Formats: sequence, structure tokens, C-alpha cells
Amino acid sequence: DIVMTQSPTSMSISVGDRVTMNCKASQNVGSNVDWYQQKTGQSPKLLIYKASNRYTGVPDRFTGSGSGTDFTFTISNMQAEDLAVYYCMQSNSYPPTFGGGTKLELK
Amino acid sequence: AVQLVESGGGLVQPKESLKISCAASGFTFSNAAMYWVRQAPGKGLEWVARIRTKPNNYATYYADSVKGRFTISRDDSKSMVYLQMDNLKTEDTAMYYCTAGAAGFDYWGQGVMVTVSS
Repeated sequence: DIVMTQSPTSMSISVGDRVTMNCKASQNVGSNVDWYQQKTGQSPKLLIYKASNRYTGVPDRFTGSGSGTDFTFTISNMQAEDLAVYYCMQSNSYPPTFGGGTKLELK
Repeated sequence: AVQLVESGGGLVQPKESLKISCAASGFTFSNAAMYWVRQAPGKGLEWVARIRTKPNNYATYYADSVKGRFTISRDDSKSMVYLQMDNLKTEDTAMYYCTAGAAGFDYWGQGVMVTVSS
């Protein structure tokens, strides 16, 4: 199975910060990486698909980039409502596998 | 609006069975592959199973951790997807989410909790 390694595992941030997190695949997954947001007590939500495509209704402060084995997810202007755990997932080959998550916390 | 509503969770003992369900609405269910994803308490997300559509012979796929114990099925006439879980283990304790989508996992249910404990 493809292993998705996310870093960092947690970040202490302030409102207005630019936040960048990474996801590294154990083998080439092309552009087949999605990013999900999960707030406490809620189901995950799709934010970015195919590495860099913003899902319907997702604010443009959320961006994704990368291909092959290295992927980046950025929040350009952190808002309080963005506090959550963010997961990357590869869908290039079965089984789909998720990264361990990056948790955003307030400083 | 798309809705996925899971039901049937609960507390069971190890080696027992449980069947959870997901009722779908707001999209053409028969055209959509359906999935189950789980999340153990305080842990990350784990894909569990997939079932394809009738033109794809309702092909099924499973995570190695559940293969041979779990069975995913669907009833297109009722827009329902099921997960039959047999020989449950304590490590199967998790919130189970029904999910579907075209871009990725676009739609998620609220989840149903399955607890396996003696």
C-alpha cells in the first residue's frame, strides 16, 4: 500500500497567518491527491481534489499543489473557522490511503 | 441536496456480527460507486470498502484489515448501501462513514459509531 506521510503533525497558528503543510507519498501517485478538512465532531469535507482543484464552494484562501510524491496544502489567510485537522489522501492506486493528519491549533 | 444517513451502529462483543446501513438521497444512486471509511477514536481516517455500479458488476474491494470479515452490498431500488461486519474485533471500534463522490469523496454521512468490547 502507498504510505502518505503528512508534516507537521500539528501547528500552532494565529488568525491571519499563512499556513503550509506537506504530504509525501511513498511512490509516485501522479496528481491523484485530495485534501480533506475535519473539524471536531464533524465528518470530513473535501477541499481540494486532483492535487490543485478547489472543490465547489471552497474559499480561494485554500490551495493545493504538487505532483508525483510531494504535495503542499496552503491556507493563505488563516481564519478561526479553519481550525481543524487536515488530511491528504491518494487515490492513484487501491487501496486509497490517508495521511495521518495535520492539526491546526491556536497559539 | 445530497444526503447520506448512516444507521445501525452500537455496542457488540468480539466475534459478534453487526450490519450498518446508509440511506442516500439527492443524487442518482445507481450511477455512483459507494464507499465506507472509518475512524477509530482519536485516530485518522481509514478506507474500508468500495462497491461499484451495476454496469461494473457491483464489483467490491476491501481493505486488508477487513477482508474476509466485512461485506459491502447495495440495493439500488432503495438507494441503500450496507456493511455487514462479521467476526468483529476490538480494533474495529470506530466511527463508520458512508461516502461517495465524483471529484473525490465529495459527500459524507454523519457517521455511525460501532463499539466492539467485552
